[in-house]
Amino acid sequence: ETGVTQSPTHLIKTRGQQVTLRCSSQSGHNTVSWYQQALGQGPQFIFQYYREEENGRGNFPPRFSGLQFPNYSSELNVNALELDDSALYLCASSLGVAETQYFGPGTRLLVL
Amino acid sequence: SQQGEEDPQALSIQEGENATMNCSYKTSINNLQWYRQNSGRGLVHLILIRSNEREKHSGRLRVTLDTSKKSSSLLITASRAADTASYFCATDKGGSEKLVFGKGTKLTVNP
Repeated sequence: ETGVTQSPTHLIKTRGQQVTLRCSSQSGHNTVSWYQQALGQGPQFIFQYYREEENGRGNFPPRFSGLQFPNYSSELNVNALELDDSALYLCASSLGVAETQYFGPGTRLLVL
Repeated sequence: SQQGEEDPQALSIQEGENATMNCSYKTSINNLQWYRQNSGRGLVHLILIRSNEREKHSGRLRVTLDTSKKSSSLLITASRAADTASYFCATDKGGSEKLVFGKGTKLTVNP
């Protein structure tokens, strides 16, 4: 157990809808990173938040957006869902931007 | 983009045997990390090796790093059925892309 929690665990949406995924970081961690993992692939970096500011972004379109709150929990929002957005979404928290990342159990999103 | 490439893609061994997984990457790195993932759930951090280190141990795990060849290996000694999982290497280049993962090696340890 890493102390990182994510909700919901599973989610089914239809194409064009919007989704919000949530992540609570481990106590004392001020950095949250989000990853998308398609079936049979390794995780791909979406973006990172450090002290409520975006601190790096991967190759994902603007319809993927995020937020970090003063308590360092975080949200990932995806607008205009596409079938290819079906994946496991992982968040990871860390003590700082270059520190070891501790992953939550993930949210499995299915887009129909 | 995927920087790390694990080899083999799948590995099946008997309990008690050693398992070796390799990772190759393309550009200079600050550190390389190995993670384990059970059944498509969250990743568990195993070990981090910095670019100026050559070898690191943690329990039954041994990681080596060869920056001249841009490769790393993970050795699990005396494997157990509970080691059955997918293993990923991830590189940290220190830039905005943060951790870059490979596609993983699926390890099956047969009792």
